[in-house]
Amino acid sequence: AQSVTQPDIHITVSEGASLELRCNYSYGATPYLFWYVQSPGQGLQLLLKYFSGDTLVQGIKGFEAEFKRSQSSFNLRKPSVHWSDAAEYFCAVGPTGGGNKLTFGTGTQLKVEL
Amino acid sequence: ETGVTQSPTHLIKTRGQQVTLRCSSQSGHNTVSWYQQALGQGPQFIFQYYREEENGRGNFPPRFSGLQFPNYSSELNVNALELDDSALYLCASSSTSGRANEQFFGPGTRLTVL
Repeated sequence: AQSVTQPDIHITVSEGASLELRCNYSYGATPYLFWYVQSPGQGLQLLLKYFSGDTLVQGIKGFEAEFKRSQSSFNLRKPSVHWSDAAEYFCAVGPTGGGNKLTFGTGTQLKVEL
Repeated sequence: ETGVTQSPTHLIKTRGQQVTLRCSSQSGHNTVSWYQQALGQGPQFIFQYYREEENGRGNFPPRFSGLQFPNYSSELNVNALELDDSALYLCASSSTSGRANEQFFGPGTRLTVL
C-alpha cells in the first residue's frame, strides 16, 4: 500500500529565510507526486506536481520540489519565504496505473515570523 | 472557467442523523472524488465517481454513499452520523482526458456532529 510521511508537523522560519519541507513516500513504483497548500478554512491548492522527466519541478508562488528516487523523497523548497506562505502543506502520491485516489501525508504547518 | 464549488459551507448535525453534501465539478471535468479531512490530519480518500458510477473506494463504511449526475456534479451522503464524522469534506474534480491524477479541490464543507 502506498503511504506518505511528512516528518515535520510544525516548522517556523523567519521571513526571507529559505524553506525545505520534507516528504517521503512508499510505493511499489515511481508514483505521481504532488504538493498542495491549504490556508485556514480553505480547500487545497496545487503547488506543483511530478509525473516524469526532469526531477526538479517548478511550481507556483516560487516553490520547487526535487524528486529523488534513491531516497523516495519529494522535498519542497523555497529560497525566500514570505509571510503569506504561512499555511499547511501536504505532500501526496497518486498511482501511475490510473485512478484518482490520492494518498496524503499528515501535513506540515508552516509559521512565518516577521 | 468555473472552479469546483461545494455546498453548504458549514453544517451542524446530531448523532444518528443523515447528511447530504454537494459538489459541482470544474467545467470540462467528468470525474469527482471525495475526501474526508479530520482535524490535524491529511485528507483521506472516500470514493470517486466517473460517468455516474462509483469507480474506487477508500476504507469507509457503506453508510458513506454518493451519486454523480449527468452534469457531473456529485453528492456525498452519510447516514447514521457518528461523532467521528466531524471533519472537512473535500470534493475534487478531474478530467480523464488529461493527467488522470491532476485534481482540483473545492473549498470544502465543514461538518460538525454533536
